[in-house]
Amino acid sequence: DTEVTQTPKHLVMGMTNKKSLKCEQHMGHRAMYWYKQKAKKPPELMFVYSYEKLSINESVPSRFSPECPNSSLLNLHLHALQPEDSALYLCASTGVPGGTGELFFGEGSRLTVL
Amino acid sequence: AQSVTQPDIHITVSEGASLELRCNYSYGATPYLFWYVQSPGQGLQLLLKYFSGDTLVQGIKGFEAEFKRSQSSFNLRKPSVHWSDAAEYFCAVEEYGGNTPLVFGKGTRLSVIA
Repeated sequence: DTEVTQTPKHLVMGMTNKKSLKCEQHMGHRAMYWYKQKAKKPPELMFVYSYEKLSINESVPSRFSPECPNSSLLNLHLHALQPEDSALYLCASTGVPGGTGELFFGEGSRLTVL
Repeated sequence: AQSVTQPDIHITVSEGASLELRCNYSYGATPYLFWYVQSPGQGLQLLLKYFSGDTLVQGIKGFEAEFKRSQSSFNLRKPSVHWSDAAEYFCAVEEYGGNTPLVFGKGTRLSVIA
C-alpha cells in the first residue's frame, strides 16, 4: 500500500465553522507533512510531524491546528478561517524524518471558505 | 538559503515532439534533486530523483533528467510527449543529510497540442 489518503476531497465552510481535514498512510512512514497550495503556485509547507511530534511549524496562523494522534494519522483542525485560506491542502509522508527520500502525496482536500 | 528556479512558467509542445523543462538550483553543498508532476486537481507524483552516482537518471512515464553540477541544473527531458503529459511540473531540492524540507520551484505548466 503506497497511498496517502485524504478526506474529505472537497470542503466548503463558513468563517465561523470548525472542521477538520484527515490524512492517513499505512506505509510505516514516520514523517508527515501538511502543505497548502494556491492555484498556479507550488506547495507551501505548513507543518511537519516527525515520530508523531511537531517538528516544524512554518509560522502558520493559529486558526490552523495540526494533530498527529498516531503514526498513521494526521489531522488539520480548522477554525475561524478566512476566505484567503481557500486552497488545496496536501498531506505527504516520507519514511525517515530528516532523511532524504521520496515524499508521497495525497490527492489533497480542496477547501473553500465562504 | 536553497532556492530553485524554473525559468519557464508555461510551455506548449506538439504531441510527439521532444520536451525539456529547465531547473536551476542555488545551493552550496550536494543537493538532492527531484521532479514532481501534478495533474489538475491532483496531488504530486514523483517522476524521478537524483541523490548521487550516474548524473543521468531515468524516471517513470519515459522521463529522464540530467544533473549538471557545473551549471547547477537538473533539466527534465522526454523524447516524445503524449497528450497525457499535460500537467504542472515542479522541480525540488533538499539539503543533503539535513533536516530541512523540500524547496519547490514555482513550477512549469506543460500544454500539449495535437
